[in-house]
Amino acid sequence: AQRVTQPEKLLSVFKGAPVELKCNYSYSGSPELFWYVQYSRQRLQLLLRHISRESIKGFTADLNKGETSFHLKKPFAQEEDSAMYYCAGAVTSGTYKYIFGTGTRLKVLA
Amino acid sequence: DTGVSQNPRHKITKRGQNVTFRCDPISEHNRLYWYRQTLGQGPEFLTYFQNEAQLEKSRLLSDRFSAERPKGSFSTLEIQRTEQGDSAMYLCASSFRGSLINEQFFGPGTRLTVL
Repeated sequence: AQRVTQPEKLLSVFKGAPVELKCNYSYSGSPELFWYVQYSRQRLQLLLRHISRESIKGFTADLNKGETSFHLKKPFAQEEDSAMYYCAGAVTSGTYKYIFGTGTRLKVLA
Repeated sequence: DTGVSQNPRHKITKRGQNVTFRCDPISEHNRLYWYRQTLGQGPEFLTYFQNEAQLEKSRLLSDRFSAERPKGSFSTLEIQRTEQGDSAMYLCASSFRGSLINEQFFGPGTRLTVL
């Protein structure tokens, strides 16, 4: 079965410290992976997609097929990064529905 | 407003009542999804429409749940004979088939509380 795992429910870091939010996937075929973010009282919004290999708000994520991981990283955390982060994989045949992880709450402390 | 909208935003109902939620996707999007999110979990897929055709339903969607997308525009999700276990956030998302990216755009959700 296709699965996305986020092992940490809560991650607390100090402002200026590096951040790594973990995501592992179990997929048949080639996955399309995304990171979505939900700030307080806002809707889910796309942060990154692996296919674009981009950096958004200082965040990057690299797909590691050997380790089946898609960890989200930022070298220097900012207080405004505090939010709920979800890793999601798209089923790439037919519906392109998402399989979400359980999410990690990031708290950046002053 | 060019984003996905959902109504109502909150719904409180008594067990056994029927409820209906509405989703208005981004106008040019032909794919529409419903997800359900309970506390401490990520969103879970419920059903998918391509235009007006409902092409997939999760086994989470019991026979008390029905969804429609008449004319391939807005969608409704109805829950009959609600149970306390139906309490959750119901999310709608849309995307454009033909996009290379498959990004889904989410609505704000409808929070259902069944008393």
